[in-house]
Amino acid sequence: EVQLLESGGGLVQPGGSLRLSCAASGFTFSSYAMSWVRQAPGKGLEWVSIISDSGGNTYYADSVKGQFTISRDNSKNTLYLQVNSLRAEDTAVYYCAKSSNSGSYLNRYFDLWGRGTLVTVSS
Amino acid sequence: QSVLTQPPSVSGAPGQRVTISCTGSSSNIGAGYDVHWYQQLPGTAPKLLIYGNSNRPSGVPDRFSGSKSGTSASLAISGLQAEDEADYYCQSYDSLSGSRVFGGGTKLTVL
Repeated sequence: EVQLLESGGGLVQPGGSLRLSCAASGFTFSSYAMSWVRQAPGKGLEWVSIISDSGGNTYYADSVKGQFTISRDNSKNTLYLQVNSLRAEDTAVYYCAKSSNSGSYLNRYFDLWGRGTLVTVSS
Repeated sequence: QSVLTQPPSVSGAPGQRVTISCTGSSSNIGAGYDVHWYQQLPGTAPKLLIYGNSNRPSGVPDRFSGSKSGTSASLAISGLQAEDEADYYCQSYDSLSGSRVFGGGTKLTVL
């Protein structure tokens, strides 16, 4: 079955860190760029970061640049997001999403989503 | 405030047709970047609904259609059904920010 399964979320104090993971199965993980998208409680979707299929290129939303680090281990079919210096406004469900391979790189879309992992930043 | 603007809510009766707009600018939709649409049913993860402005993934009913013109895009849902009640998001690329961007989302209520 083609799926993405996130883990690693939880309750963390302001200033704390977490490493989120996303285990992929059912497709050739190393052939696709992958993203993280978050959704604060009751709010809309916010793209966070993307990593190329090889891991050689990474891009971030301005809101998390310098604070979050995306990485991947293609040998383990796993995507990661290291989240540091957490603030209350980082409280959200974090989804990993697989990018399509069709069309130009900037026009690709998210064709598979995980169920998400909740990160709560609170003292 | 989202780079792509959607109405917060729309509603329609079963069987009716509704449209959801997604208004951007010359640095995203107007620059020629594709628009994609996602459906998020209550309590679930988003799901791809329309890609490349007007294409439906396999399994998505042809009641759902997308279009794009100038700096805007639209999602149309015809033959509205109770199970269509969800949040809908448009997404594109913005060259000014160098980011993938989402609209603020539209909550569809089936009356």
